[in-house]
Amino acid sequence: TQLLEQSPQFLSIQEGENLTVYCNSSSVFSSLQWYRQEPGEGPVLLVTVVTGGEVKKLKRLTFQFGDARKDSSLHITAAQPGDTGLYLCAACTTSGTYKYIFGTGTRLKVLA
Amino acid sequence: NAGVTQTPKFRILKIGQSMTLQCTQDMNHNYMYWYRQDPGMGLKLIYYSVGAGITDKGEVPNGYNVSRSTTEDFPLRLELAAPSQTSVYFCASIWGAGAYEQYFGPGTRLTVT
Repeated sequence: TQLLEQSPQFLSIQEGENLTVYCNSSSVFSSLQWYRQEPGEGPVLLVTVVTGGEVKKLKRLTFQFGDARKDSSLHITAAQPGDTGLYLCAACTTSGTYKYIFGTGTRLKVLA
Repeated sequence: NAGVTQTPKFRILKIGQSMTLQCTQDMNHNYMYWYRQDPGMGLKLIYYSVGAGITDKGEVPNGYNVSRSTTEDFPLRLELAAPSQTSVYFCASIWGAGAYEQYFGPGTRLTVT
C-alpha cells in the first residue's frame, strides 16, 4: 500500500515566522501536488512538481520535489494569517492509471 | 463554466438507508474521482473513472457503488448506510492523461445516525 506521510500534523505560528511542511513516502511517484483546503471547501491546487530535484516558487511559498521523487517539502516565508488552512500533498501513482493518493494533511494556523 | 457541482450539500441518513450523491462536471473532463475526507484528515479514494462506461475501485470502495453513463455525470451510491460512512464526500475531475490538476466540487457532508 502506498502511503504519504505529512509532518507536522498541526502547526500554530505567529505572523511573520517561517515554516516547512514535509511529505514523505517509500514509493516513487511520477508527480506530486500540493493543495490548500479551507473549511467547507474542496482542495485547491497550489503546484505540481514532476522532475526529481525540481524547485518551484509561488510568491512566499517554495516547493521542492526530492531527487528520488519520493518526498517533497513546502516552505512558507513570513507566514500571514491568510495562509491558514489544511495543506495536503497528493501523488500520482506510476501505474499509468492516474490514481491519486493524498497525504495525511498539515493543519496550519497563523496568528496575527 | 460551473466546474464540478455536487448535490446535496448536506444530508442526514438513518442506518440502513440508501442514497445517491450526485456529481456533474461541465469541462468535458475524462477522468472523475470520488473521495471521502474524515475530520482533520486527508482524502481517501473511493472510486474513479477514466471515461464513460469505465470505473474502477480506489482505496476504500466497500459500501459504495458508482456508474458513469455519460462524460458529465459520476454518481456515487451508498447502499445500507452505516455510521462509518459519516464523512465529507468530494468529487473531482481532470481532463485526461498528463493533466495533473484535479478540480474539486464543494463537497457533500453526510451524517449517518
